[in-house]
Amino acid sequence: QQQVKQSPQSLIVQKGGIPIINCAYENTAFDYFPWYQQFPGKGPALLIAIRPDVSEKKEGRFTISFNKSAKQFSLHIMDSQPGDSATYFCAASIRYGNKLVFGAGTILRVKS
Amino acid sequence: NAGVTQTPKFQVLKTGQSMTLQCAQDMNHNSMYWYRQDPGMGLRLIYYSASEGTTDKGEVPNGYNVSRLNKREFSLRLESAAPSQTSVYFCASSFGGIGYGYTFGSGTRLTVV
Repeated sequence: QQQVKQSPQSLIVQKGGIPIINCAYENTAFDYFPWYQQFPGKGPALLIAIRPDVSEKKEGRFTISFNKSAKQFSLHIMDSQPGDSATYFCAASIRYGNKLVFGAGTILRVKS
Repeated sequence: NAGVTQTPKFQVLKTGQSMTLQCAQDMNHNSMYWYRQDPGMGLRLIYYSASEGTTDKGEVPNGYNVSRLNKREFSLRLESAAPSQTSVYFCASSFGGIGYGYTFGSGTRLTVV
């Protein structure tokens, strides 16, 4: 079973919309939560990451919201653009651990 | 450009054949990883090497072996390929200590017929 559950599987939004991708985890030892972005034919690339001592982190148009009590975290993309169309993966790891556990991925399409 | 280089990019094997996927990084990273990506299943860890000279099993190690040849290179071997090993394989590296994040290669698309 997947240790990190990601939803939705796919998402279509209009340009300028705010897609939201959600992830949930069970292992309370996880305390590092990155998001990766993958374009077709490429490897995933680190987009943004958060630790559970903060509830929100912003980098440009990308925001992670973190709810430690619910064991959930989400990615919001503000003012989404067609160039944001990609597959997004959430992940989790134990701090200073060597293994990332990934969600199943969300295929995002932003329509122009 | 600095990064993670994987070879080959594409490969077709017959069931029972063997092959080695190569990975090299030039960022002086300590840790290296092999993942496989399958539709609807995300990325699953096959093997990893926390540092030169060490290797450990990940989530789906059966049917694979690895070698950490030196600090730069980490290879993945399929001894007797099976159709269930049809996948896209990604190598990644990091300084170790996950806060640094991973750098991924561009992948090897393997088809076993």
